[in-house]
Amino acid sequence: DTAVSQTPKYLVTQMGNDKSIKCEQNLGHDTMYWYKQDSKKFLKIMFSYNNKELIINETVPNRFSPKSPDKAHLNLHINSLELGDSAVYFCASSQEWGGTEAFFGQGTRLTVV
Amino acid sequence: QKEVEQNSGPLSVPEGAIASLNCTYSDRGSQSFFWYRQYSGKSPELIMFIYSNGDKEDGRFTAQLNKASQYVSLLIRDSQPSDSATYLCAPEGGGGNKLTFGTGTQLKVEL
Repeated sequence: DTAVSQTPKYLVTQMGNDKSIKCEQNLGHDTMYWYKQDSKKFLKIMFSYNNKELIINETVPNRFSPKSPDKAHLNLHINSLELGDSAVYFCASSQEWGGTEAFFGQGTRLTVV
Repeated sequence: QKEVEQNSGPLSVPEGAIASLNCTYSDRGSQSFFWYRQYSGKSPELIMFIYSNGDKEDGRFTAQLNKASQYVSLLIRDSQPSDSATYLCAPEGGGGNKLTFGTGTQLKVEL
């Protein structure tokens, strides 16, 4: 069984559209994250949730809205997509808050055309 | 100054050699340090972590940490072609709240 799974794996959409990426972890972890990896392979945290509570919101445009319905799920909704949003988005989870290993999903490659 | 600095490479080493990957970080409050490996088109996976100054060995991998110098390194002994990947240094930052990744060093192990 996949520990951290994201859907879809690939997403191609036009500018201005709204799209969502879903993430689920079956590890029983308390903390989940969204990371963005740009074309230069720089991996940067966007959001972090601990027990469904938003803990970290790095300077991300308001068009990005995470939602955690429960500890095992963290979804990312993006409004009014822009060309610059094209990247690979990784969901990750860790057992507890702070200083522990993060397990990554397989990534969602988003291409905005 | 970047929060986490790594030489982007590519670092090319012959098969069987020792590969040395270096990383410096700016957050003096970081206590935990992680090395992730990322193959092209794949997700990052943890290969080593270190909390204390000094060396930590795990198989062919050795992590070295010097908090005074804000420096962490990863040595890969007996490098194999399968080690060819990008290696990401990730100090825990923000008071223990997140991992801050470097841009990664691309390693190429040549036959």
